[in-house]
Amino acid sequence: ETGVTQTPRHLVMGMTNKKSLKCEQHLGHNAMYWYKQSAKKPLELMFVYNFKEQTENNSVPSRFSPECPNSSHLFLHLHTLQPEDSALYLCASSPRQGATNEKLFFGSGTQLSVL
Amino acid sequence: QQQVKQSPQSLIVQKGGISIINCAYENTAFDYFPWYQQFPGKGPALLIAIRPDVSEKKEGRFTISFNKSAKQFSLHIMDSQPGDSATYFCAAAPNTGNQFYFGTGTSLTVIP
Repeated sequence: ETGVTQTPRHLVMGMTNKKSLKCEQHLGHNAMYWYKQSAKKPLELMFVYNFKEQTENNSVPSRFSPECPNSSHLFLHLHTLQPEDSALYLCASSPRQGATNEKLFFGSGTQLSVL
Repeated sequence: QQQVKQSPQSLIVQKGGISIINCAYENTAFDYFPWYQQFPGKGPALLIAIRPDVSEKKEGRFTISFNKSAKQFSLHIMDSQPGDSATYFCAAAPNTGNQFYFGTGTSLTVIP
């Protein structure tokens, strides 16, 4: 295991639902990330938190709302999603943001389907 | 604009053969080039990485070849095995910040 745990593994939700994705890392890292993985597309960086502070928001729609209560936990709150938001959502961590030889440790992802 | 272009999209190789995946980039500020391996149902995991001060890096059966002038780098998997069947992503990162730019991935199938 990578030390990054994501729950749930699978999620099916309607467009009017509200749900949350959870990520927990046991590596003592200070940076955490949300990526979106869609078929035949590059991994898309959504949000970055460094020492619990959000440092990157790559023009993500407001229907995605991140929360980082501490350096070990990261949430992605979802509401009024669209079918095109169906994808694999990956959480990752690294010791800290800003060092270019940092290795990203990914969780196994949450496969989200929006009906 | 796609920062890192990866090819081929899919690749089928016989066991024992050489698998080659290519990536190209434009941004000369990139100075770190990792490759990630992803098995079904798992997140990507770092496989091997290179910096532009060397032209080649080898770790076991995996080799990165780097051509700075052409702004291209490639992953070679020697003696490919069925257990290597996975999706491979190249990536690039600049020397400031840590925004990783990923390729679109290559699905490798190694036939026994």
